[in-house]
Amino acid sequence: AQSVAQPEDQVNVAEGNPLTVKCTYSVSGNPYLFWYVQYPNRGLQFLLKYITGDNLVKGSYGFEAEFNKSQTSFHLKKPSALVSDSALYFCAVRDKGTYKYIFGTGTRLKVLA
Amino acid sequence: EAGVVQSPRYKIIEKKQPVAFWCNPISGHNTLYWYLQNLGQGPELLIRYENEEAVDDSQLPKDRFSAERLKGVDSTLKIQPAELGDSAVYLCASSLGADSSYEQYFGPGTRLTVT
Repeated sequence: AQSVAQPEDQVNVAEGNPLTVKCTYSVSGNPYLFWYVQYPNRGLQFLLKYITGDNLVKGSYGFEAEFNKSQTSFHLKKPSALVSDSALYFCAVRDKGTYKYIFGTGTRLKVLA
Repeated sequence: EAGVVQSPRYKIIEKKQPVAFWCNPISGHNTLYWYLQNLGQGPELLIRYENEEAVDDSQLPKDRFSAERLKGVDSTLKIQPAELGDSAVYLCASSLGADSSYEQYFGPGTRLTVT
């Protein structure tokens, strides 16, 4: 069965420092991978996706993610964190055959001024 | 471009009462999803529509939940009767089509509290 794991419930980082939010997945075949961000009392917003091609994907607000097939990971990164990046981040995998989206449990990012 | 619209934003009802949520997707988006999100959890799919057809309702508790998308645009999700465990945020999302590579666009959600 396909699954997504976000091993950290919360990540704290100082403003200006690089940040990483981890995601690993388990799916048969080649996955489609996504990152979404959720601000308080808001729906999820799309950040970026990996479909095929270059393993380093760039997305909105300066975020990027690296697809690593051998480690089945898709970690979200940003070179320099902003306080406004503080939010809840969800990794998701989509099965190409069934179209089912599986979301991780989310990682709360707190950027400290 | 307007985003996904949901109403109401908040709803408080007593258990055993009915409740309905409404969603208007982004114009031109053929695929519509309803998700349930519990506190501290990721969204869980309830039902997916392709135009007016419900193509995946395997996770919808059909004894009390129902949904419709009559003209392939707006959609309504209903719970009757509501139970205490139904308290959650109900999210609607839409995407251009069924292709797995398409990202989803989410509405702000309806926060349901059942007392």
